[in-house]
Amino acid sequence: AQSVTQPDIHITVSEGASLELRCNYSYGATPYLFWYVQSPGQGLQLLLKYFSGDTLVQGIKGFEAEFKRSQSSFNLRKPSVHWSDAAEYFCAVGFSGYSTLTFGKGTMLLVSP
Amino acid sequence: GAGVSQSPSNKVTEKGKDVELRCDPISGHTALYWYRQSLGQGLEFLIYFQGNSAPDKSGLPSDRFSAERTGGSVSTLTIQRTQQEDSAVYLCASSLRNFQGGGKTQYFGPGTRLLVL
Repeated sequence: AQSVTQPDIHITVSEGASLELRCNYSYGATPYLFWYVQSPGQGLQLLLKYFSGDTLVQGIKGFEAEFKRSQSSFNLRKPSVHWSDAAEYFCAVGFSGYSTLTFGKGTMLLVSP
Repeated sequence: GAGVSQSPSNKVTEKGKDVELRCDPISGHTALYWYRQSLGQGLEFLIYFQGNSAPDKSGLPSDRFSAERTGGSVSTLTIQRTQQEDSAVYLCASSLRNFQGGGKTQYFGPGTRLLVL
């Protein structure tokens, strides 16, 4: 069965510093990859997605992610974090033949002044 | 256009009571999904609708949980004889028609926070 791993439960980053959130998936097929962000008390907002083509994808709020097939990874990056980026981030993976997405357990981002 | 809406936003109930949670998807989205998010956990898939039928209800945790969708639009998730372990945030999402391609972007509502006392 497919699975998604976000190895970091919490990450603290200083405001203005760069950010990388890790996501790994396990399954043999070509994945469809998503990153969502959830602010406290809110639903999930789509940041970016990868279906095919260029493995470096740009999203909203200055985020980007890179798909590396050899590493089964889809890490999320941002060059300079803002205090408003503090939230929980979820990686999700979909596969052909499966009707829904599999989500990681999330990474909580804390931004220090 | 309007996004996915859910009601109520918060629900407090007593153990043993039944609750109904409502989801109104984005207009034109024929696929609808229910998830449960418990404290410290990721998103747990419950059920998926394509139109009014539910080809995948594998995530429903027990027969106390049921869901229906009418008119290819609004969906209701019903939990009977609620238990304290049912306390969670219930999220609904919708997408364009899903041909089991796995590549349809899901758009989420704000969720219903259920507390069972």
